[in-house]
Amino acid sequence: DQQVKQNSPSLSVQEGRISILNCDYTNSMFDYFLWYKKYPAEGPTFLISISSIKDKNEDGRFTVFLNKSAKHLSLHIVPSQPGDSAVYFCAALETLTNAGKSTFGDGTTLTVKP
Amino acid sequence: NAGVTQTPKFRILKIGQSMTLQCTQDMNHNYMYWYRQDPGMGLKLIYYSVGAGITDKGEVPNGYNVSRSTTEDFPLRLELAAPSQTSVYFCASSTGTSGGNTGELFFGEGSRLTVL
Repeated sequence: DQQVKQNSPSLSVQEGRISILNCDYTNSMFDYFLWYKKYPAEGPTFLISISSIKDKNEDGRFTVFLNKSAKHLSLHIVPSQPGDSAVYFCAALETLTNAGKSTFGDGTTLTVKP
Repeated sequence: NAGVTQTPKFRILKIGQSMTLQCTQDMNHNYMYWYRQDPGMGLKLIYYSVGAGITDKGEVPNGYNVSRSTTEDFPLRLELAAPSQTSVYFCASSTGTSGGNTGELFFGEGSRLTVL
């Protein structure tokens, strides 16, 4: 049973518009959430994170929103740029286990068209 | 800092062969992980380690073994390669989630393994 789901395998947006990537989770013990970005033939790199005690975290063009009651988070990219074209993974972990094991979604491929 | 370094980047194995994927990190992280990524899928945890001498199974450990003799190195061993082990393997390290740390993972560039 997949505990972290990214239901949209792909998303295409126009340069300058907003990109919204969604992620749902089922494990109520998850209390920290991270987004990673992955280019082809490279390892994923950390993008932004949010603790379950917050509902929003912003870093430049990237904002993550968390809705705990719905077990849903989303990543907003505004404005989108062609260099943002990549695969985006949502990850979740239980900080109390103290082993830092992250559970990943299957990823969403974002394409930003010039 | 080189970060997390994985070798080899590519390898083709025949069924039944064995090999070791090497992983080393220079960030003095206690926590290290091996993930595999199959096409169109997310990353699945194979094994992890919370410090030198301590390892534990992740979600998909069958067919693999690991060791952690030093803080820096975390090799992954495939004993009898099978086609189902064709995948891209990522090693990662982190500071864990204690003491206010966020559990952010630092990944290597990946090792693409094909078993024929």
